[in-house]
Amino acid sequence: QVQLVQSGAEVKKPGASVKVSCKASGFTFSDHGVHWVRQAPGQRLEWMGWINGGSDNTKYSQKFQGRFTMTRDTSASSASMELSSLRSEDTAVYYCARGQDSGASLIDYWGQGTLVTVSS
Amino acid sequence: DIVMTQSPDSLAVSLGERATINCKSSQSVFYSPSDVHHLAWYQQKPGQSPKLLIHGASTRESGVPDRFSASGSGTDFTLTISSLQAEDVAVYYCQQYYNSPLTFGGGTKVETK
Repeated sequence: QVQLVQSGAEVKKPGASVKVSCKASGFTFSDHGVHWVRQAPGQRLEWMGWINGGSDNTKYSQKFQGRFTMTRDTSASSASMELSSLRSEDTAVYYCARGQDSGASLIDYWGQGTLVTVSS
Repeated sequence: DIVMTQSPDSLAVSLGERATINCKSSQSVFYSPSDVHHLAWYQQKPGQSPKLLIHGASTRESGVPDRFSASGSGTDFTLTISSLQAEDVAVYYCQQYYNSPLTFGGGTKVETK
């Protein structure tokens, strides 16, 4: 079955960076894209970007462009995201999610989420 | 960016009764090459990740109970739970995947009365 297993919770100080990983199984990683979505406390789901599982094709939300980087390792069926220059407003649960196909399209499966807390 | 607006913010329904959630997009999400609206509905139970219920505005995912139905066109969409069960208590989100950035509605919290 499709599974996306994310790395564990992180606590970071303002100005630091955080990296979250996402290990996929149960499907052919290169046939799908990986989306990153976050959910701050009490806020709506917020799409951050997408990376193709088999190429370096990416799409970034303009809101995060410049301090958000997505990478993927097709041979390891994994993806990662790094968010830099953290501020308190970045405290959120970060999800990786599978795209239904190779485009930046429908999200059909979600990881369990990774809580990132930014606090001095 | 396409703005997704959901109503109501919360809804209390008796078990066995109907729940209806509305979603409006700020522009059409109709994708003409496939003749489909790029509109999805997700269910997020407390402490869990979202789960895809509906895509293409009205197509139920495999395994989703048929008490969940959805409809709509243009910019107005609806998710209906025909007979609310205790396990349906959750927050429901609509989302457009017509273009980037993908955007979500603010969510509708469904509770039992």
